[in-house]
Amino acid sequence: EIVLTQSPGTLSLSPGDSASLSCRASQTISGNYVAWYQQMPGQAPRLLIYGASNRATGIPDRFSGSGSGTDFTLIVSRLEPEDFAVYHCHQYGASPPTFGQGTKLEIK
Amino acid sequence: QVHLVQSGADVKKPGASVKLSCKASGYAFTKYALHWVRQAPGQRLEWMGWIIPDSGDRKYSETLQGRITITRDTSSTTLYMELHSLTSEDTAIYYCAREGGYMYRYSFDFWGQGTLVTVSS
Repeated sequence: EIVLTQSPGTLSLSPGDSASLSCRASQTISGNYVAWYQQMPGQAPRLLIYGASNRATGIPDRFSGSGSGTDFTLIVSRLEPEDFAVYHCHQYGASPPTFGQGTKLEIK
Repeated sequence: QVHLVQSGADVKKPGASVKLSCKASGYAFTKYALHWVRQAPGQRLEWMGWIIPDSGDRKYSETLQGRITITRDTSSTTLYMELHSLTSEDTAIYYCAREGGYMYRYSFDFWGQGTLVTVSS
């Protein structure tokens, strides 16, 4: 199965900063079938980005995704207080679907 | 408006089975695949299996094969997941999630609120 490794594990930033989160795959992900989810404490994940670079419905343009092959990135610009959460990457280019271990974005 | 509403928290003893439900509403139930994903404390999200509600075709994680059964009831638009021979390692929050299809590049566009299952003697 494809193993996804996210870095950093924790990112400490201030509101107004920009965050760059990485997701590296152990094999090429076909079709760039990579998604990013945001998870607030005690809540279910929420879809942010699909197909590596497409924002889901209702997601602000401060969130952007990029990448291909084995390296994918989520950028969150102009951090708002509600952006501090855990972010997961997910691949569905190969079965079984797998997830990264998460990056916690915390307030500095 | 799409909603996936899961059954409540449960506590089971080792060796027991648990059956969770996920009631779907707000969309055509048979048109979208449904998945189960779990999150053990401090662990990454783990995919467990999926079902195509229309045909009933399903696929399970190799690590859970033999212990998991996913079913659905199209008349009540409800998804089920039964896990047998529980151990403490099955303690987790269990989520149902809708797969958004090719339009969403097979990502999970809607999730249930999660069900905490605790396995303890």
